[in-house]
Formats: sequence, C-alpha cells, structure tokens
Amino acid sequence: EVQLVESGGGLVKPGGSLRLSCAASGFTFSSYSMNWVRQAPGKGLEWVSSISSSSSYIYYADSVKGRFTISRDNAKNSLYLQMNSLRAEDTAVYYCAREVRWDAFDIWGQGTMVTVSS
Amino acid sequence: SSELTQDPAVSVALGQTVRITCQGDSLRSYYASWYQQKPGQAPVLVIYGKNNRPSGIPDRFSGSSSGNTASLTITGAQAEDEADYYCNSRDSSGNHLGVFGGGTKLTVL
Repeated sequence: EVQLVESGGGLVKPGGSLRLSCAASGFTFSSYSMNWVRQAPGKGLEWVSSISSSSSYIYYADSVKGRFTISRDNAKNSLYLQMNSLRAEDTAVYYCAREVRWDAFDIWGQGTMVTVSS
Repeated sequence: SSELTQDPAVSVALGQTVRITCQGDSLRSYYASWYQQKPGQAPVLVIYGKNNRPSGIPDRFSGSSSGNTASLTITGAQAEDEADYYCNSRDSSGNHLGVFGGGTKLTVL
C-alpha cells in the first residue's frame, strides 16, 4: 500500500524548534519530488516547501524561508522538515505529499499537528 | 493573500451540475490540480493536468481551463461530494513556488 506517515508534531513555545518526519512506503521514494503543505485551524491549505527527488532543487514559501529547512534521506525513505524560530502563525496541521506529473500531489499523509504557544 | 482566487462557497441541488472555478495569472502557464477535503481528513486529489482523474475518482468529476481560469465540474453531484475543494498550481513569479486557492465550500442541497 502506498502510504505517507508524518510524525514529530507537538506543542512548542514561540522561538522554539521542531523537526517533522514523513515516512514513505509502498513506492520508490527516491523517484519523486516531495512537498510539505500546512493547514492552520479552520483555514485553507498553504504550500510550504518542496524538494526534488535527488535534493537538487529546493523551494520554500516566503512565509517560512530562512526558518524552515526541508531535506530527505532516500536510503531511509524519509522526508523531513526542520522548523526553527517558530511563531504562533506556524500553528497548523502539516502534511507531506508526493508530487507527480503536472505538479499535482497524489498521495498525502494523515498530517501532524504543530502548536506554537507559550 | 492567495494568487489563486476561488469563490468561498457554492451550493448545488442533489443530482445537478456544479462548476467550481479558480482564477490566477499562473494558470495561463501551468495546469491546476484540484483537491477534495472533508472535515478531519487529508486532502484527496480529484483532477490534475489537462483533465486527468486518479484511480478511484468517479467520472462525474472533470476539469477544464481557459485563459486564467481553471474549472472543476461535478456532473450529477452526490451527497458525498459535499466538501471543501482547493485548486493548486505554481505561482506567477516563475520561481517554482506552489500556491493554493483559498478553497470553496460545496454544499449539496
């Protein structure tokens, strides 16, 4: 079964750090670009970051650039998001998603909640 | 603010046809993809590319595009289609950044 499972969410104070992980299974992880997408409570989807299959190309939304770092380990079939200098407005469910042709996201994880609060 | 604009809410009578639209300059260069999201669930891809449906998506879902507007059409809406729908594409800067529309809440009456 093709699956993505996020972990690492939790409660963190403003200015703190958190590292999210996304474990992939059921497909050749190293062949796909991967993305992080977040959704604040009661709000819409927001694209956060993407990384190409070999990590050659990395992109960030302006809202997280300089604070978040996306990475992957193809040997471990895993995607990561290192989040530093967290703010209240980073509070959201964070999803990892597989990118396919025409920039579409065909497989999504169940999400992991990140709460930034003092 | 989103570079892709969607109507916040749309309603349709059971069995009728509804079109959900997404506007943005980047849609002149890139295809939109469409996602269905029900409460408490992860989004599900329903349309991508010119008009492609992933396996398992009913054929009542279709996509089209003209100029700066992409559309998702549900022909013969069912009660289970009630959900939030989001469009997604690249932004208009040319920097390969992703962008989502603000979402459309579809109510099936």
